[in-house]
Amino acid sequence: AQKVTQAQTEISVVEKEDVTLDCVYETRDTTYYLFWYKQPPSGELVFLIRRNSFDEQNEISGRYSWNFQKSTSSFNFTITASQVVDSAVYFCALSEGVVNRDDKIIFGKGTRLHILP
Amino acid sequence: NAGVTQTPKFRVLKTGQSMTLLCAQDMNHEYMYWYRQDPGMGLRLIHYSVGEGTTAKGEVPDGYNVSRLKKQNFLLGLESAAPSQTSVYFCASSPLAGVTDTQYFGPGTRLTVL
Repeated sequence: AQKVTQAQTEISVVEKEDVTLDCVYETRDTTYYLFWYKQPPSGELVFLIRRNSFDEQNEISGRYSWNFQKSTSSFNFTITASQVVDSAVYFCALSEGVVNRDDKIIFGKGTRLHILP
Repeated sequence: NAGVTQTPKFRVLKTGQSMTLLCAQDMNHEYMYWYRQDPGMGLRLIHYSVGEGTTAKGEVPDGYNVSRLKKQNFLLGLESAAPSQTSVYFCASSPLAGVTDTQYFGPGTRLTVL
């Protein structure tokens, strides 16, 4: 069965520190997709990244980077030189890759990140 | 493009009342979804639609009904609201690949059932 675990419920760091948000997933499929979404205090959900199970390359986008490791079923998200605007709830999500077969996406419970000035 | 819009933004209901939440998207997306977000629970899928005229149950469908009469609109109905349905409701849409594709979310509707 699908499962996404974000063990860190809440994290606080001081501005300019680096912070890593953990995501561990479970799936029976060999084809699946992983996502990260950001929910700032304003409430909307913002897409950050989508990664398929065949692409294990790490990705960097500005201060954001993602480390995908199939061996440990993890898809961790690191913010370098954090800023106050990074304060938000971050959700990791998993969908299995067979479209139209019991289409299902599972979200983790989220990690609330506080960046302290 | 407005993207995904939701109406209303806030609503307070009494137990037993009914209401309909409207989701509209102008991106010509095939897939649309309704989620609820509760504290400490993440997002849970209520119902979804893979195209005009089709709907399917998600993870927590009980107490809700949906309709997709037009491609751009996805309605979520509560026939007899219960306090357990107090939540923030998000609508989302995605292009072709369904849940394996990026989802675009609306701003949310905060519903309180007294």
